[in-house]
Amino acid sequence: DVKVTQSSRYLVKRTGEKVFLECVQDMDHENMFWYRQDPGLGLRLIYFSYDVKMKEKGDIPEGYSVSREKKERFSLILESASTNQTSMYLCASSYLALLSPGLAGGPRNEQFFGPGTRLTVL
Amino acid sequence: GQQLNQSPQSMFIQEGEDVSMNCTSSSIFNTWLWYKQDPGEGPVLLIALYKAGELTSNGRLTAQFGITRKDSFLNISASIPSDVGIYFCAGRSYSGGYQKVTFGTGTKLQVIP
Repeated sequence: DVKVTQSSRYLVKRTGEKVFLECVQDMDHENMFWYRQDPGLGLRLIYFSYDVKMKEKGDIPEGYSVSREKKERFSLILESASTNQTSMYLCASSYLALLSPGLAGGPRNEQFFGPGTRLTVL
Repeated sequence: GQQLNQSPQSMFIQEGEDVSMNCTSSSIFNTWLWYKQDPGEGPVLLIALYKAGELTSNGRLTAQFGITRKDSFLNISASIPSDVGIYFCAGRSYSGGYQKVTFGTGTKLQVIP
């Protein structure tokens, strides 16, 4: 079974602090994703990566950066945390090719999610 | 970006009742996905649909990929207390050189024993 782990389930930080959220997957997946989840807004994509050292902006990248130095690890960085970044952060990984219009097909190629990190910024 | 309208936003039902929820979009998707999120956990994939018109079941769950490619529904039959959670639809399309998944806003389901 695919396992996606996140470094913390709960975090409390102060405004202006630098925050690191870590995500590790154990299935040799090419693609990794960071989402934030807020009530009434669903899951919104912050950044994704389709290879080591590669990163692409999602829908809401402002205020965030990412790092992918190893295939299994994808880090989300809040350079200077603000209260509007209080949220649930979800990491996901998938095998499905991102750069091709064709379908790899099959549920096992879809995104698998970690348990989430609930971040509170005071 | 693309928008997915998911309804209802929330529902309370009696144990044993059937449940139906749906997602609509102004854009075409080539895949529809349904996830469930238990409280305090990440979403888990329930059903994946890859062809327009496809009807797929997973136990008491049934989902369909709409013919227009712009909608999908999920039915849960004979609900039980462990069905409680948030259900998300998601659509995948090819955009800007990448395959991209867009998530709905979720349907929060509560089951009254």
